Amino acid sequence: AQSVAQPEDQVNVAEGNPLTVKCTYSVSGNPYLFWYVQYPNRGLQFLLKYITGDNLVKGSYGFEAEFNKSQTSFHLKKPSALVSDSALYFCAVRDPGSSASKIIFGSGTRLSIRP
Amino acid sequence: ETGVTQTPRHLVMGMTNKKSLKCEQHLGHNAMYWYKQSAKKPLELMFVYSLEERVENNSVPSRFSPECPNSSHLFLHLHTLQPEDSALYLCASSQDRPQTTNTIYFGEGSWLTVV
Repeated sequence: AQSVAQPEDQVNVAEGNPLTVKCTYSVSGNPYLFWYVQYPNRGLQFLLKYITGDNLVKGSYGFEAEFNKSQTSFHLKKPSALVSDSALYFCAVRDPGSSASKIIFGSGTRLSIRP
Repeated sequence: ETGVTQTPRHLVMGMTNKKSLKCEQHLGHNAMYWYKQSAKKPLELMFVYSLEERVENNSVPSRFSPECPNSSHLFLHLHTLQPEDSALYLCASSQDRPQTTNTIYFGEGSWLTVV
């Protein structure tokens, strides 16, 4: 069975500092991995995905994520945080052999960037 | 603009009312979804339609009734709801083809309050 974990409910970072939001997964075989962001009073917005190939994936708003197969992780990163990055971030995983509806979302990590 | 439009954005209804949530996608996708997002709970997949056929119904109470008249439109009919049904209801869409990424794209959500 596939699963995804976001071990931190909240991450606090000062503006201008690098940020990392952690995600680990469990799936048989090679996973499809996704990050979504949810700003206050909005829906989930797709940020980036890993399918295959280069382990470092670049996405919207300067975010990137690194796929690490040996550690079964897909951490979201940004070199320099902005106050506007404050939001709820969801990691998601899916077995490539399954339909889109079988995607599993993590519980979310609230990112707070202080000025 | 996500390509998935939900109306209304906010809805307050009494427990004896009948109302509907509407979703329209402009992405040319063939699958549509309803998710429920409650505070402090994981995202819950409620219904999945693929090629206008309901393919999943995850033990959702019958007071929620979905309708998918075509591949671009999805409704959630609400009747005799309970206060615990108050939540953010998210519509989403994707392509549903074998061996493709099938990224899910979400609408902005409809905030439902049952009084």
